[in-house]
Amino acid sequence: DQQVKQNSPSLSVQEGRISILNCDYTNSMFDYFLWYKKYPAEGPTFLISISSIKDKNEDGRFTVFLNKSAKHLSLHIVPSQPGDSAVYFCAASGSGGSNYKLTFGKGTLLTVNP
Amino acid sequence: EAGVTQFPSHSVIEKGQTVTLRCDPISGHDNLYWYRRVMGKEIKFLLHFVKESKQDESGMPNNRFLAERTGGTYSTLKVQPAELEDSGVYFCASSSSLIASAFFGQGTRLTVV
Repeated sequence: DQQVKQNSPSLSVQEGRISILNCDYTNSMFDYFLWYKKYPAEGPTFLISISSIKDKNEDGRFTVFLNKSAKHLSLHIVPSQPGDSAVYFCAASGSGGSNYKLTFGKGTLLTVNP
Repeated sequence: EAGVTQFPSHSVIEKGQTVTLRCDPISGHDNLYWYRRVMGKEIKFLLHFVKESKQDESGMPNNRFLAERTGGTYSTLKVQPAELEDSGVYFCASSSSLIASAFFGQGTRLTVV
C-alpha cells in the first residue's frame, strides 16, 4: 500500500522552461513534506520542504505547493537547467514525534534538454 | 565537513553468505537512519537510532537483518544469511534533530546472486 505516489516515472522539458513534478499522498497524518534530488551513484540530497501549515514554500528556482484538501503537492522548477536532470523523490513525514521517518514515492526522472 | 560515508559502495555476495554494511554519520549527529531501495520501488525506512539506542526498527524486513551502532558513532547493518530479495541499494542518513531533512550517504549497492 503506497502512501506517497509519484505517478509520472519520467518528465522531459526544455532548458529555460518550467518543470512541474507532482506527488500525491494518502495518509492524513503526514504533516511535513520534502523533495529530494538524486543523481546516479549518489544518495538523495535534500532540496526543499514544506510544513502542512503552509501552502507554498519558495527557494530560488524551486517552489513547492501543497494542497492539503487534495492531498497533493508539486515541485516547480523555473527556469529549468540541464544540471537539474536527476531523479526527484517526494517524501512525507508524520507528527507526534514520529517525524523522523520518511515515506518516499518511487521518484520521477527529470530530463532537461539543452 | 565530511558527509555521511558508507562502505562498501558495492557488494556482490552469494545467497546464504553474510554481508556487513557500514555507515559513518556526520560528526555530532545523534540520529542515524537506514533506508533501502529495491530496484524499481520506493526508498523504504528500515530503522532509526538515537545515539546508540534503537528508536524504531519497524521497517526491518526480518530477523536476518541486524543493525548496531557502537558508542553512538558509526553503524553497521548485517544481513545473515543473505537472500536474493535482499538485493538493492542501502542508504544511511543522519540528522542532528528530529526534523526530517536528514543527510544521506551515497548508498551501498548490494547484489545477492
